[in-house]
Amino acid sequence: QKEVEQDPGPLSVPEGAIVSLNCTYSNSAFQYFMWYRQYSRKGPELLMYTYSSGNKEDGRFTAQVDKSSKYISLFIRDSQPSDSATYLCAMSEGGGNKLTFGTGTQLKVEL
Amino acid sequence: GAVVSQHPSWVICKSGTSVKIECRSLDFQATTMFWYRQFPKQSLMLMATSNEGSKATYEQGVEKDKFLINHASLTLSTLTVTSAHPEDSSFYICSASSQGASVTQYFGPGTRLLVL
Repeated sequence: QKEVEQDPGPLSVPEGAIVSLNCTYSNSAFQYFMWYRQYSRKGPELLMYTYSSGNKEDGRFTAQVDKSSKYISLFIRDSQPSDSATYLCAMSEGGGNKLTFGTGTQLKVEL
Repeated sequence: GAVVSQHPSWVICKSGTSVKIECRSLDFQATTMFWYRQFPKQSLMLMATSNEGSKATYEQGVEKDKFLINHASLTLSTLTVTSAHPEDSSFYICSASSQGASVTQYFGPGTRLLVL
């Protein structure tokens, strides 16, 4: 079993839809949770990070962490074609520790 | 802020040759740099972690004599793929972190390596 599980998709939604992306994990020591966006043939770009359980909102993006269920989510409201990319979740046990990535979910937002 | 560059962006080389990839933090001092490789439609796999002035720490299964990492300054780390073979063809990405306690890694744009 992988430490971090993420549905690879692809996920196709119409423009304006609410997108829900999820990851589950098995390592209870993870405390920091991040979402990265990666366009084709580019490096990942940090979207959001949260510490421990709870919600965090930034514009159209909302990140949720439920440590009791070992489940994290990223919601994208009013999705745009420019949101089409691969979304990677990543987790860390603490500051300075390595990140463990999910496989990434490929998202396509269609006009 | 927090810009990381990589050079070259892509490289094609013959089997048996060595290739050097540079990773630079342009607007911050990177005490820690990470090197990843990514195969098509797969996630990032950490190869090694390097701290400025120290030897790199390699992940299990990564040959340190084949993938030489140097982190000589707070803004530059290099990865040298020695005696490259076709199976080394991949997308190599570096990331940088500004402080030891920071959880935030900023990624470079990646280097696509094709070994013929």
